[in-house]
Parts: sequence; structure tokens; C-alpha cells
Amino acid sequence: AQSVTQLGSHVSVSEGALVLLRCNYSSSVPPYLFWYVQYPNQGLQLLLKYTSAATLVKGINGFEAEFKKSETSFHLTKPSAHMSDAAEYFCAVSDQRGGGFKTIFGAGTRLFVKA
Amino acid sequence: EAGVAQSPRYKIIEKRQSVAFWCNPISGHATLYWYQQILGQGPKLLIQFQNNGVVDDSQLPKDRFSAERLKGVDSTLKIQPAKLEDSAVYLCASSQGREGELFFGEGSRLTVL
Repeated sequence: AQSVTQLGSHVSVSEGALVLLRCNYSSSVPPYLFWYVQYPNQGLQLLLKYTSAATLVKGINGFEAEFKKSETSFHLTKPSAHMSDAAEYFCAVSDQRGGGFKTIFGAGTRLFVKA
Repeated sequence: EAGVAQSPRYKIIEKRQSVAFWCNPISGHATLYWYQQILGQGPKLLIQFQNNGVVDDSQLPKDRFSAERLKGVDSTLKIQPAKLEDSAVYLCASSQGREGELFFGEGSRLTVL
């Protein structure tokens, strides 16, 4: 069965500092992994996805994530935080079942960016 | 390309009343999902459709929740009767089957008093 664990429900960084949001997953089959971002009163938007190509994945807004199979991790990073990065971030795992993909989300990490 | 459309954006009802949410997915997306997002939690899958057939409804509280996707296009999620714990944002998403990427609507926020 799939599961996703996001370590830390809240993360606070200063503007210009490194952002690191942690995600560990479990899946019985090779997974597809995603990071989504949610701004207040909006739906989720895709930041980036891992689909078994390169293990280092680059996404929008300067974010990237590295797939580490041995650690079952898919941590999200950004070298320099910006005020506009303040939002909720969700890690998700997806695998294909008969009739499409089933996607499970983590509990989310809220990122605060201090001026 | 138009995104996933949902309505209403906000709904306030009293417990034991009924409510319905509507979703129109991106044109051509065969898979449609309804997720429930309770404040402070990640989205929880309620039901997944492939065209107009149900693929997964294992977490749908079937005694009070129902959903349909007529003609494999738009979908309606209904709650009857509502309970206080149903207060949440109901997110609709669609997918064209490429590696599981989901496209979300803005959500329908339900408050049950």
C-alpha cells in the first residue's frame, strides 16, 4: 500500500535562506512522485514530478527535488527562499492501477518565510 | 485551455441538510477525482472515476455521500444528510493519464453548522 510522510507540519525560514521540505514514501511498485503547492483559497498546483527518468528533478519557481530510492525519500529544496514561496506544500505518490493512477497525499508542510 | 471548474466556491449549511458540488474537468481528461481536504490535513481521496465508471470509492462514506459522472464528463458530489465533521474543502481533479499528474479546481469550501 502507498503512504507518504512529510516531516514537519510547519517550516519557517528567512528570506534568502535554503528551503528544505522532507518527504518519505512507501510504495509496492516503482512510484511516480510529486510535489504540489497550495496557496490560500486555491486548489493544488504541480511544482514538479519524478517519473523514473533523472533522479534530480527541477520544477517551477526554482524548486527541485531528488529521488533517493535507498532512503525512500523525495525531499524538496530551493536555494534561496522568497516571500512569495509562503504556502502549503504537499508531497504525493502515485501508481497505476487498473483504470488510471491512484494518488495519495501527505499531510502537508506549511512554509513561512520571514523578511 | 480551460482548467477544472468547480461550483459553488463556498457553501454554508446546517447539519442534516443536503448539499451538492459540481465539477467540470479539463476537456479530454478521462479520469476524475474527488478529494476531501479537512483544515490542516492533506487531501483524502473520496472517489475516482475512469470515464463514467467508478475505479475506487473505498473511502467514500456511502451512507451519506454519493457521486456520479454522467456521460464521462462533468460530475456531481452530494452529501445528505451533512454532519459537522463534513466541514472541509472538496477538491475536484482530473487527469489525462500521463504519469498520474493531477489538475485541480479551486475547491468548494463547505461549512456545516
